Amino acid sequence: NAGVMQNPRHLVRRRGQEARLRCSPMKGHSHVYWYRQLPEEGLKFMVYLQKENIIDESGMPKERFSAEFPKEGPSILRIQQVVRGDSAAYFCASSPVDSVYQPQHFGDGTRLSIL
Amino acid sequence: SQQGEEDPQALSIQEGENATMNCSYKTSINNLQWYRQNSGRGLVHLILIRSNEREKHSGRLRVTLDTSKKSSSLLITASRAADTASYFCATAPSGNTGKLIFGQGTTLQVKP
Repeated sequence: NAGVMQNPRHLVRRRGQEARLRCSPMKGHSHVYWYRQLPEEGLKFMVYLQKENIIDESGMPKERFSAEFPKEGPSILRIQQVVRGDSAAYFCASSPVDSVYQPQHFGDGTRLSIL
Repeated sequence: SQQGEEDPQALSIQEGENATMNCSYKTSINNLQWYRQNSGRGLVHLILIRSNEREKHSGRLRVTLDTSKKSSSLLITASRAADTASYFCATAPSGNTGKLIFGQGTTLQVKP
């Protein structure tokens, strides 16, 4: 039973380019969460999505960042016109139901480097 | 703002010793969870304790929760070199679904 799959594992972009990070949740999971981790820090919540809906985007920067979880296919975190400060590890997690008592299952992350 | 504060930031012990990590938080919660992260990897869920529970065990792990002090501790008994990792507490705030607030983490090194 495959876990949460994120790709690519490493992504290098130049300033001003776009970055697309993909996340396939565990089988049977319909809730996806994105987090960002800066070096030597904990994870910071960005956005929570269900199929075709954004439930909570309170952690998303207002500009350049967007996320989607379409009916078919993986969830996508999109960063437009990347800047050096976007360099971080981006983690996706999924859970099966909308319950605060369900643990979240994490992927191994995408490490984004901005040149 | 980050909810959890963990203490200590780094801990180094010998194999076989116990390791205790503490976590404090600021707002009311539905539950508190502990995760482990090995270098370059994602987080692995260890244990979840609900706000109405005071103590929970899972194998060599023991977690306590004191909601009056807004604090939790994670005890790893009889540590092994394979326990070397970063450990994070995460809180699920009351009235919220899904979102987890993570602490800064404790880096544990277990020397063989």
